[in-house]
Amino acid sequence: AQKVTQAQTEISVVEKEDVTLDCVYETRDTTYYLFWYKQPPSGELVFLIRRNSFDEQNEISGRYSWNFQKSTSSFNFTITASQVVDSAVYFCALSNQGGKLIFGQGTELSVKP
Amino acid sequence: GAVVSQHPSRVICKSGTSVKIECRSLDFQATTMFWYRQFPKQSLMLMATSNEGSKATYEQGVEKDKFLINHASLTLSTLTVTSAHPEDSSFYICSVRSQGTGNTIYFGEGSWLTVV
Repeated sequence: AQKVTQAQTEISVVEKEDVTLDCVYETRDTTYYLFWYKQPPSGELVFLIRRNSFDEQNEISGRYSWNFQKSTSSFNFTITASQVVDSAVYFCALSNQGGKLIFGQGTELSVKP
Repeated sequence: GAVVSQHPSRVICKSGTSVKIECRSLDFQATTMFWYRQFPKQSLMLMATSNEGSKATYEQGVEKDKFLINHASLTLSTLTVTSAHPEDSSFYICSVRSQGTGNTIYFGEGSWLTVV
């Protein structure tokens, strides 16, 4: 069975702090995809990144970076120098090739000025 | 611009009535679409897989007679919540998988349903 665990329900930081959101997944598939989405209060899902299981390269996009480690089945997300606009709920998700997404419980990030 | 369009974004309906939510793929044909539901402060849960030209596949615990899914064309899937009750109030969101862009998954904007 597939499963995604985001152990951190809520995180609160002060602006300019770095913050890491953890994501651990379970799957028996050899080919799979991992995603991170941002969900602001309005509800829409903002796509942040997609990683396939064969690409363990870490990625950096501006203040965002992702650390994918198959050995520990983790796909952690770090925001450097956090800003108030980063406040949102962040979801990690897992998909096989069929397109169904299994979401983690979400982590609510609050960045205070 | 938007790749997947969902309508309406917000709807309020009376208990016992039915409400239809549309999900349109704007940029490509989609033989498969997915419907998710999200209750307040909870995660998104897959409700069903909508298959063009055939019956939808429902996840365990989702009542197929209550949540009617129709995928009559390659660009449109509809979710109808029948005989809605207040406990059906939720955020409903659809997604489409684009095989042409390496398995990218696009989401609609979501629909907030409130049953009063």
